[in-house]
Formats: sequence, C-alpha cells, structure tokens
Amino acid sequence: DIQMTQSPSSLSASVGGRVTITCRASQGISTYLNWYQQKPGKAPKLLIYAASSLQSGVPSRFSGSGSGKDFTLTITSLQPEDSATYYCQQSYSIFWTFGQGTKVEIK
Amino acid sequence: EVQLVQSGAEVKKPGESLKISCKGSGYNFTNYWIGWVRQMPGKGLEWMGIINPGDSVTTYRPSFQGQVTISADKSINTAYLQWSRLNASGTALFYCARHVNFPCIGGSCDAFDIWGQGTLVTVSS
Repeated sequence: DIQMTQSPSSLSASVGGRVTITCRASQGISTYLNWYQQKPGKAPKLLIYAASSLQSGVPSRFSGSGSGKDFTLTITSLQPEDSATYYCQQSYSIFWTFGQGTKVEIK
Repeated sequence: EVQLVQSGAEVKKPGESLKISCKGSGYNFTNYWIGWVRQMPGKGLEWMGIINPGDSVTTYRPSFQGQVTISADKSINTAYLQWSRLNASGTALFYCARHVNFPCIGGSCDAFDIWGQGTLVTVSS
C-alpha cells in the first residue's frame, strides 16, 4: 500500500488566519491526490481533487498544491466553520489510501 | 439533488450476519462506481472496496477480501455491504461514496464526490 503521512496531526489557528497542512506519499503519485474535510458526526466532503483543482461549491480560501510525493492544503482567511478534520487521499494505486487526518481547531 | 442515502444504524452480536445499503438518486446510478469506506471509532478513513453497479464488478482491498461482500442491484439503484459473520471488533461507521472521474493532466483523476450519511454498525455481545 502507498502510505500517506499528514502533518501536523492537529493545529489551532485564529479566525482570519492562514493554515497549511502537508501530506507526503511513500512513493510518487503524480497529482493523484485529493483533500477531504470531515466535521464531527458528518460524512467527509471533497474539497480538492487532482492536487490543486477546487471542487465545485468549495470556497476559494481553500487551495491545494504539490506533485510527486509532497502536497499541501492551504486555508486562507480561516473561518469558524472550517473547524474540522482534513484528510488527504491518493488515487494513484488501485487501493486508495488516506492520511491519518489533521484536526483544525479555531482559537 | 444527487445523493446517496444509507440504511440506519445496526446493533449486532458477534457472529451474526448483516447487510447494509446505499441508495443513489438524482443521477444515472450505473454510470458511477460506488465505494465503501470504514471509519473505526475515533480513527481515520479506510478504503474497503468498490463496485461497478452496471455489471457488479468489484475490487476489494486485500485486508477486507473474504471479510465482507460488496454487491449492487441496479434495478433499484442500491449498493450493499454485507458480512456473513461479524467480528467482536467490528464496530465502525461505514460510508458509501460515489467514485467520479475528473479529467486531468495524464488522463483521469478519481475521487469520491458524493458521500452517504454513514451507517453505524455496533457489534457487542
């Protein structure tokens, strides 16, 4: 399996601030990388696909970048509703794998 | 509205069988594969397997092969996840999700764009 490692595991930031979450794959995955947001008690929601493409309806304060092994999810102008756990996920191999998640809390 | 609606929470004993469902609406059900994802209590997401509802071709993650069965009935736009014998450690939340192909550099980039609300399966003696 391709292992996906996210950092940090959790973070706290202020409203209006900027958040960066990184995701590293155990092997190169080109841009076959997606980001999801999961709020407590809810299903995950697709935010970013193909490493940097914003899913329809997702606010533009979310952005993704990277290719190969290293990827980044950035949230600018953090809002209270962005409090959630964020997961990266690779679709390079037939058996998709997710990162362990990064919990974002609002100060 | 495009949506996946899953069956309700279940409480089962170890060794019992179970079949949970995922009904699609608002789109052509046979045009998109359906995947199943497990989330154990307080843990992350695990891709279990996927089915093509059009022809019922399935692919399982090796760790789930033989432990669960994924099936579909395209006549009623429904996918299923079933166990013949639940493990005592089987308590988890299970999500179905629609597998979508986005055009991208290099061909097709895949993701889960629509998710069901989740089905909690509690296994306890």
